[in-house]
Formats: sequence, structure tokens, C-alpha cells
Amino acid sequence: QQQVKQSPQSLIVQKGGISIINCAYENTAFDYFPWYQQFPGKGPALLIAIRPDVSEKKEGRFTISFNKSAKQFSLHIMDSQPGDSATYFCAAKETSGSRLTFGEGTQLTVNP
Amino acid sequence: EAGVTQSPTHLIKTRGQQATLRCSPISGHTSVYWYQQALGLGLQFLLWYDEGEERNRGNFPPRFSGRQFPNYSSELNVNALELEDSALYLCASSFRGGLYNEQFFGPGTRLTVL
Repeated sequence: QQQVKQSPQSLIVQKGGISIINCAYENTAFDYFPWYQQFPGKGPALLIAIRPDVSEKKEGRFTISFNKSAKQFSLHIMDSQPGDSATYFCAAKETSGSRLTFGEGTQLTVNP
Repeated sequence: EAGVTQSPTHLIKTRGQQATLRCSPISGHTSVYWYQQALGLGLQFLLWYDEGEERNRGNFPPRFSGRQFPNYSSELNVNALELEDSALYLCASSFRGGLYNEQFFGPGTRLTVL
């Protein structure tokens, strides 16, 4: 079964710290890896995405690191802020496919 | 640019009834996806519609169905509602011409089955 495993389930970080969320996948046909941010009562919002031909992508305080050989990728949030408190989902998709396969989600709390 | 819109925001039904949820994609997007976000189960892919056709469906029973209209809006129908159908139903849209078909989500419809 195509799965994406995400950890940790929950994460508490102090303001200004670095938040790190990890994901691992099994399906080698996956070649698009987005991260979504979801606030309570809202739909997931596309945050940042990466393709496996690069090892890192940075957008502002958000960075994705990708390790193709290990089939792992992670989201780093630098200088974490209380406004970053949300649930984060990693996902994966085959280019030829349609469905996103999501990780279980990480509830991030950034304390002021 | 308006995002994906969904209606209603909340829907309360009783077991055995039918529910109809609606979605309007971002202008220019031809693909619509439906996902179920049940408590403790994450986001599960339900259905994909493109150019009016059902292209793929997830591991859900046939009582979950839908359609896509000529204006690319979509509706999801859930027949013979069961208690475990209570969830947030999310619609996403994408422009199929892109290489990776980035999916953008709406705010969801919260379905409660009593």
C-alpha cells in the first residue's frame, strides 16, 4: 500500500526555535512532495513543495530537505513563531497520478 | 483571485439519509478532487474529476459518488449515511496542464451524521 509516514505526531517549540517534521515514503514512483499547513476550521494550504531532482528547497523561513536514497523528506521551520502553530501534513504524488497520499499530520505548537 | 469554495459549511444529517456537498474550483482549473478528513484518520483521497469525467476513486464504497458539471464545479453525494461518515470533506482543484498539478484546497464541509 502506498503510504507516507510522518513524525512526530505533535511538536512543541519555543518562539524563535527550529521546528522539524519528518516524512518517509515507500513508493519510488512518487516524484512530487508538497507540504500543507492547516489551521483549525480551515482547509489545508499549500506551503512548499519539492521534486526529487533537488535535495533542498527554501522559501522564506520554510525549507524542505529531501533524501532520495533514504526515501525521506523533512520540513524545517526556522525562527518559529506562534502564528506557525497549526497542523502540518506532508504528502506525495506520482506525476502520472492524481491522488495525494498524505502523512498523518503533525500538530505544531509554538510557545511565545 | 477567488479560491476554491465549498458549500454548505456545515451539514447535519441522520443515519440513512443522503448528503450533497458542492465545490467550485479556482477559475481556470479543470480538475476537482475530493478528500475525507475524519478524526484520527488523516486525509483520505475520495474522487478525482476532470473534464466532466470521473478519473479515479479511492478506497470508498459506491455510496460515495459525485459528478462534475460543464462549468467544472462538482458535487459529492453520500448515500445511506453512516455514523462513521462524519468528517470534514475537502475539495481541491488543480490546473491539469501543469506538470505536477498542484492542488489547492477549499475550506471544507463539516458533515455530522447523527
